[in-house]
Amino acid sequence: KAGVTQTPRYLIKTRGQQVTLSCSPISGHRSVSWYQQTPGQGLQFLFEYFSETQRNKGNFPGRFSGRQFSNSRSEMNVSTLELGDSALYLCASSHPGQRSTEAFFGQGTRLTVV
Amino acid sequence: SQKIEQNSEALNIQEGKTATLTCNYTNYSPAYLQWYRQDPGRGPVFLLLIRENEKEKRKERLKVTFDTTLKQSLFHITASQPADSATYLCALRYEGGYSTLTFGKGTMLLVSP
Repeated sequence: KAGVTQTPRYLIKTRGQQVTLSCSPISGHRSVSWYQQTPGQGLQFLFEYFSETQRNKGNFPGRFSGRQFSNSRSEMNVSTLELGDSALYLCASSHPGQRSTEAFFGQGTRLTVV
Repeated sequence: SQKIEQNSEALNIQEGKTATLTCNYTNYSPAYLQWYRQDPGRGPVFLLLIRENEKEKRKERLKVTFDTTLKQSLFHITASQPADSATYLCALRYEGGYSTLTFGKGTMLLVSP
């Protein structure tokens, strides 16, 4: 079966702009989580969606938002971009039926803010 | 607060040796712990999961131990190969966080031929 797909793979934006990243989970997976990865901070949790509802949120400012559609596809949006938002943004899907389930990650979107 | 620590120093070993990576955690009572491998510029890939009632888990050349008293997991790669060079991450499910995983910062492993 197809893996987690993230688009675009690379993005260059200017400070102050906004950006939308997309994630298509594995078919049948209804849980989608987003992470930001930087060299200094590692993988940091942004938010998790399940059945179109955000059920967990990390410690990020309100400029970071997301949503999930009825087909489980998810988008995250970052408004008023700052240089510090440059990072690899990773999306992971998992099967909600098992509490100890593994996460399946996409290739990520590399965002560069200039 | 809940914290996961992995050795930030890269681990350099010779091909054929056993690599041992450490994951320590505090303020968690995890039901299970996961290990992932990440190559540069790519998303992490799941390797192994070990539950709190399991002391050890093996998969091919990989072995994971889980000591809930010490709050520590050890990840071993036996007969290491240059292709094993990557960053290895441990992860715990955030308490009350449904499917959310909290990751350590990872340890980079470099295997020289």
